[in-house]
Amino acid sequence: EVQLVETGGGLIQPGGSLRLSCAASGFSVSSNYMSWVRQAPGRGLEWVSLIFSGPTTSYADSVRGRFTISRDSSTNTLFLQMNSLRAEDTAVYYCAREWQLGRYYYMDVWGKGTAVTVSS
Amino acid sequence: EIILTQSPDTLSLSPGERATLSCRASQSVNSYLAWYQQKPGQAPRLLIYDASNRAPGIPARFSGSGSGTDFTLVISSLEPEDFAVYYCQQRSNWPRKTFGQGTKLEIK
Repeated sequence: EVQLVETGGGLIQPGGSLRLSCAASGFSVSSNYMSWVRQAPGRGLEWVSLIFSGPTTSYADSVRGRFTISRDSSTNTLFLQMNSLRAEDTAVYYCAREWQLGRYYYMDVWGKGTAVTVSS
Repeated sequence: EIILTQSPDTLSLSPGERATLSCRASQSVNSYLAWYQQKPGQAPRLLIYDASNRAPGIPARFSGSGSGTDFTLVISSLEPEDFAVYYCQQRSNWPRKTFGQGTKLEIK
């Protein structure tokens, strides 16, 4: 079964750092494009970052320079290192697989999310 | 940045009725549009991709249409499990992507 499970969320003070993990099963994170998407409380969805099957990455303007996406093929896990956290980073963070449907890629499998709260 | 505006914000209908949800883009996204369903406490679920193609396993009562700037998601006959929040998402500047603000489909 294809599955994603996020962990690592919690309460963190402004300016702090946190690393989120996303454990995959049923497919390889190294062979697929993977994204992080977040949802602030009571708000809509915001794409955060993507990593291609190679080392190339992409970030939303709101997190570029503060967040880093990476993966570990040995544990089949995707990561999101979040530094210099701000109150506006408070959200549930989802990881998702980018899957080719037709000619293009869409997020077809999502984890259940992990909650991050940035507050003093 | 391309802005997606969904309407209405809330749609109140009864099971068995037809639901029509709209998504308008601030500039053309061709057919690079998806629809997702999200229930409380759950992750989003991909319903439609490329504006009109159902994702694997999605029931035939869900259909999408449109191109350019105006898109529609139709649920032909609402089932109790269809009451949720629906988001459209554009990928014309992929990997960057943006979502609409969502339409809440609630039981009347």
